[in-house]
Amino acid sequence: AQSVTQLGSHVSVSEGALVLLRCNYSSSVPPYLFWYVQYPNQGLQLLLKYTSAATLVKGINGFEAEFKKSETSFHLTKPSAHMSDAAEYFCAVSGGTSYGKLTFGQGTILTVHP
Amino acid sequence: DAGITQSPRHKVTETGTPVTLRCHQTENHRYMYWYRQDPGHGLRLIHYSYGVKDTDKGEVSDGYSVSRSKTEDFLLTLESATSSQTSVYFCAISSAEGTGNQPQHFGDGTRLSIL
Repeated sequence: AQSVTQLGSHVSVSEGALVLLRCNYSSSVPPYLFWYVQYPNQGLQLLLKYTSAATLVKGINGFEAEFKKSETSFHLTKPSAHMSDAAEYFCAVSGGTSYGKLTFGQGTILTVHP
Repeated sequence: DAGITQSPRHKVTETGTPVTLRCHQTENHRYMYWYRQDPGHGLRLIHYSYGVKDTDKGEVSDGYSVSRSKTEDFLLTLESATSSQTSVYFCAISSAEGTGNQPQHFGDGTRLSIL
């Protein structure tokens, strides 16, 4: 069985500040991990993915995430927040012979203040 | 963007009526999924398909059925809608070869209200 926990349902930062969204996972097999972003009234858009290559993964819009097996974490970061980063972010895990099924975290709403 | 179309985009209906949501893809992907999104729960898998006529249940399948008669279409049916099924429904597709190493791509969602 797999599960994802996103620490903090709401995160608020100032424009230009570091963005850190936390994700911890549980998986009985080597995981594949994903971060998605959802803007209001839209579907989910893939930010980045970890599929057992480099542990530091770079994605779109300046985001990156680091896979840490010892900590079972896959935290999402961005050095400098923009107003346009305000959205809801979801961490998800899949792996093994799971037909590509994803298990999602509860989501973190990011607010960016001027 | 992945070619995924969900219809309708919005629907309001009454308790006890049947409802069918359609997901259409133009990517020829093998895997298709239906999720529901509710505040505080993220996205939860309802049903998924790994080929024409091949479907299976997800974690919240009670009250829902699906059908896939063609590669491009995946239908979600609420046989007798209840107020607890008010939600936003998302369809997703993937080219994953069973191992989950490929991302899913999502449609724009259907907002369903059951009164």
